[in-house]
Amino acid sequence: GNSVTQMEGPVTLSEEAFLTINCTYTATGYPSLFWYVQYPGEGLQLLLKATKADDKGSNKGFEATYRKETTSFHLEKGSVQVSDSAVYFCALPGKTGANNLFFGTGTRLTVIP
Amino acid sequence: EAGVTQSPTHLIKTRGQQATLRCSPISGHTSVYWYQQALGLGLQFLLWYDEGEERNRGNFPPRFSGRQFPNYSSELNVNALELEDSALYLCASSPRGSSYNSPLHFGNGTRLTVT
Repeated sequence: GNSVTQMEGPVTLSEEAFLTINCTYTATGYPSLFWYVQYPGEGLQLLLKATKADDKGSNKGFEATYRKETTSFHLEKGSVQVSDSAVYFCALPGKTGANNLFFGTGTRLTVIP
Repeated sequence: EAGVTQSPTHLIKTRGQQATLRCSPISGHTSVYWYQQALGLGLQFLLWYDEGEERNRGNFPPRFSGRQFPNYSSELNVNALELEDSALYLCASSPRGSSYNSPLHFGNGTRLTVT
């Protein structure tokens, strides 16, 4: 089946710092790739997605590019805010034809003022 | 529109008991997914139901079971509870006809504590 390997956390940054959270994938074919975010005490929310190679997903200042050559989907943000403190999960379909997603282990981000 | 709703929010059980968790998907969504989020272990896929049928199952023992009702709501049952079943159980849904490239919509979870 498909899988993702996600950068271990936790990550602590000062406000306005640059953020990168690494994610690499192993997949059959070229499935969609996703980043989800989990704020404290809540379920997961879709942050962004990319459906094919070289696609860039973006939302709320976050970006990730689907790179086939390096099998990567790294999450970036140019200037983080305290409100971005959350756990971030990289995900992809568990296998072709199965709707359930396989999630990475999650990276906890804490942004300090 | 109302999101995915889960009940109860918190559930405390003792070892050996049974737990029942409930999930109502977003209106118009026919697929329901269950995930376990144990401390330090990320999200582990449990079950996927679509149109009342079990479509896929994760690597969990048979004491984890569930069902989907005609109104597409779902129930997760955990029998013979063990201490390591303590976790946040998340339910997600997706629309009718969605593909494996579609995102999932999550509820806020049920926190199960086994003592």
